[in-house]
Amino acid sequence: GEDVEQSLFLSVREGDSSVINCTYTDSSSTYLYWYKQEPGAGLQLLTYIFSNMDMKQDQRLTVLLNKKDKHLSLRIADTQTGDSAIYFCAELSSNFGNEKLTFGTGTRLTIIP
Amino acid sequence: EPEVTQTPSHQVTQMGQEVILRCVPISNHLYFYWYRQILGQKVEFLVSFYNNEISEKSEIFDDQFSVERPDGSNFTLKIRSTKLEDSAMYFCASSDGVARQAKNIQYFGAGTRLSVL
Repeated sequence: GEDVEQSLFLSVREGDSSVINCTYTDSSSTYLYWYKQEPGAGLQLLTYIFSNMDMKQDQRLTVLLNKKDKHLSLRIADTQTGDSAIYFCAELSSNFGNEKLTFGTGTRLTIIP
Repeated sequence: EPEVTQTPSHQVTQMGQEVILRCVPISNHLYFYWYRQILGQKVEFLVSFYNNEISEKSEIFDDQFSVERPDGSNFTLKIRSTKLEDSAMYFCASSDGVARQAKNIQYFGAGTRLSVL
């Protein structure tokens, strides 16, 4: 079945870049997503990438996809204290047209002043 | 900006009681989902719903669970007889299409924390 793995914790100094990594197993995934969860809040979609792309940039966010290795990363440039949150990688799987998201464990990003 | 809203934000119940978690999806969306996150664990898919019927359900979604779209705006998850292990954060999500339509973004509500005592 589908499985998504992430490291649990990442600490970064304010102003540095953060790189959050994710591996997934479903080679047929068409879309991969990054969601952000702040304390007490829901899952906020940050960005997504279609599987025929290898990079997508959106302001401070850069997503890199290595489809051969089934590896996805999220780079946050110039990390700020407001970026402190849990970041979830998710892959979209489709079963006879029925879609669902499979999430990773989430990476807790801590910003060091 | 349109959003998915969930009520209540926190529900406390006794084991064996029935609970109904409520969601108002984004108004023009057609696909609805429930996920749950047990504390410290992954967000897990429970069920998807389209055209007034369940599209897919996980093995977690047993006979104790049911979903309903009672009117044009609400989408509910009912747990008939709650167990201690049902304690979790329950997230509702909606999308206005699927991947082949390039409309597959699922938008999530803030969640309902269910505590079963």
